[in-house]
Amino acid sequence: GENVEQHPSTLSVQEGDSAVIKCTYSDSASNYFPWYKQELGKRPQLIIDIRSNVGEKKDQRIAVTLNKTAKHFSLHITETQPEDSAVYFCAATAGDNDMRFGAGTRLTVKP
Amino acid sequence: GAGVSQSPSNKVTEKGKDVELRCDPISGHTALYWYRQRLGQGLEFLIYFQGNSAPDKSGLPSDRFSAERTGESVSTLTIQRTQQEDSAVYLCASSYILGNSPLHFGNGTRLTVT
Repeated sequence: GENVEQHPSTLSVQEGDSAVIKCTYSDSASNYFPWYKQELGKRPQLIIDIRSNVGEKKDQRIAVTLNKTAKHFSLHITETQPEDSAVYFCAATAGDNDMRFGAGTRLTVKP
Repeated sequence: GAGVSQSPSNKVTEKGKDVELRCDPISGHTALYWYRQRLGQGLEFLIYFQGNSAPDKSGLPSDRFSAERTGESVSTLTIQRTQQEDSAVYLCASSYILGNSPLHFGNGTRLTVT
C-alpha cells in the first residue's frame, strides 16, 4: 500500500515568515494529494489539494507543489499568522484504494 | 448541508467490554473511512468502504476490531473486549468517490478504556 512520509515533525516560525512542509510518497500510481489542517481538539479540515496533472496550485497564502518524478509534494504558507498554528497532515491516494496520511507537522507561529 | 456525524462523541468503558461506534456520512458519499488518532499522534488508517464493501481489512489492529456499512450509508466500528491501548479518538470520514475527492471528517468519538 501507499506510504507517506512527512517532514519536519515540528516547525516553529516567526509571524510573517514562510513555512514549508514536505512529503514523499511511495506509490507511483498516486494521483491525488490533499493537505489537512487540524487545530487542537478539532477535526482535520481540507485546506488545499492537488491532482497529478498539475504541478502547482495556489490559494491566497497557501500553495502546494508536486513533483511526480521525485514523488514528493510540498505545502507552502506565506506571511504566516498565529492562527496558522496547528497540525498539518499531507495525504496521498491512487484513487482506487484508501487514503494514507503523513505523520503530521506541528506548526507554531510565534507572534 | 449536514456533515459527517459520529456518535457517541465520548465513550468511557471498562476494560473487557464491547463498544460500538457509529458514523453517518454525508448523503451521497460512496466512500467511507475509519481512522484512529491517539493523543498527539497522526491518523492511523483502519478501514475503508466503497459502497458497502470493505476490500482491505488489513489496517484493523486486531481481530477484536470489525466494521460494517449498510445501505451505502451508516457504518459501525465495533471493538470487542476493549483494552486500555484502544483509548483514542476514532475519526470517520466520507468522500463523494473513492480516492480522488476530499475527505470530510466527523468530530470523532473519544474512547476511554478504564
